[in-house]
Amino acid sequence: AQKVTQAQTEISVVEKEDVTLDCVYETRDTTYYLFWYKQPPSGELVFLIRRNSFDEQNEISGRYSWNFQKSTSSFNFTITASQVVDSAVYFCALSDLDRGSTLGRLYFGRGTQLTVWP
Amino acid sequence: SQTIHQWPATLVQPVGSPLSLECTVEGTSNPNLYWYRQAAGRGLQLLFYSVGIGQISSEVPQNLSASRPQDRQFILSSKKLLLSDSGFYLCAWSAPTGFYGELFFGEGSRLTVL
Repeated sequence: AQKVTQAQTEISVVEKEDVTLDCVYETRDTTYYLFWYKQPPSGELVFLIRRNSFDEQNEISGRYSWNFQKSTSSFNFTITASQVVDSAVYFCALSDLDRGSTLGRLYFGRGTQLTVWP
Repeated sequence: SQTIHQWPATLVQPVGSPLSLECTVEGTSNPNLYWYRQAAGRGLQLLFYSVGIGQISSEVPQNLSASRPQDRQFILSSKKLLLSDSGFYLCAWSAPTGFYGELFFGEGSRLTVL
């Protein structure tokens, strides 16, 4: 069964601090995808990144960076120089691939509420 | 460009009343469609998904049902709501081909059952 654990329920930082959101996953599949989504106060989920299980190369996008380590089943997300606009709930998710189709069922962690104070 | 819209945005219903949440997608054909629920303090749980008209799969046993009467329309229903049905419901779509598993979410519908 697919499982995603985000142990940090809430994190508070002051603007310009760096913050890392942890994500640990469990799966028996050898091929899978991992995701991060952002949920601002408006409620709509916003896609941030997708990573497949064969690509362990870390990725950086502006102030965002992701560290994928299969050896520890982790896919952590770091925000550098955080800003107030980064305040949101962040979800890590694991896909369940329906072989033979492109159906992508996602299994989400419980989310981490990040609050960035000015 | 593709858009997804769901309504109503907010709903307050008494226990035992029916429910209908609607979701429509524009700008794409034959999308995969999903209903997720976000209960307070919990992550998103997949309720239903659909790969085509009339094709509905349920992830968890529950008091809710889903239907897909048209290619880009997905409806979440209940005949009699329970208190435990309260939550934030999100509709999502993904492309039938191409990127695997990337979902695009609607604005969400907040349901409170009293």
